[in-house]
Amino acid sequence: DAGVIQSPRHEVTEMGQEVTLRCKPISGHDYLFWYRQTMMRGLELLIYFNNNVPIDDSGMPEDRFSAKMPNASFSTLKIQPSEPRDSAVYFCASSLLTQGSSEAFFGQGTRLTVV
Amino acid sequence: TQLLEQSPQFLSIQEGENLTVYCNSSSVFSSLQWYRQEPGEGPVLLVTVVTGGEVKKLKRLTFQFGDARKDSSLHITAAQPGDTGLYLCAGAGGLTGGGNKLTFGTGTQLKVEL
Repeated sequence: DAGVIQSPRHEVTEMGQEVTLRCKPISGHDYLFWYRQTMMRGLELLIYFNNNVPIDDSGMPEDRFSAKMPNASFSTLKIQPSEPRDSAVYFCASSLLTQGSSEAFFGQGTRLTVV
Repeated sequence: TQLLEQSPQFLSIQEGENLTVYCNSSSVFSSLQWYRQEPGEGPVLLVTVVTGGEVKKLKRLTFQFGDARKDSSLHITAAQPGDTGLYLCAGAGGLTGGGNKLTFGTGTQLKVEL
């Protein structure tokens, strides 16, 4: 497997524009996570899915953020409208629930810059 | 909110020195993981500890899970430049259950110089 694939790797957009980040999890994994990483706040969990169903979206900062997982092999995180404070690296990760604990496999991230 | 505080936040040492990174929480976790992240990449799992008091060794790295499963430490012996990176602890499960939900610590940025 190629691992978790995120696109784009870099995104520069103007304030007010819609931004869509994409993620393809590892085949067979039943959990998918969206994280945001900044220097100030570290790695924050935004939302996670189990078997394509959103389980906990309490980390989504505002209604401008939305995430979907239409099938087991694809998820999107959308920001509309984007603001400069949304600039960060967004990571998607997937895992498979097993006895004891489960490793989260991360993609390479999307570096978002809102100007 | 389950918070994981790591200390120190930054650490710059010379090759060959030893160091310890701490991860503390007021919450109990079902397991705790340590990840290392390099620039431009996502975090990569180093180890998972599950049992209170558990100690795991990975070459020059020693990981310990506190007896009460609220804290953990990472000790590196004879650090090398290749150990440079951001070290993150992550707690799984805990008060909110959450199965695979991981709460990450604040991170420790380590730099090992020649």
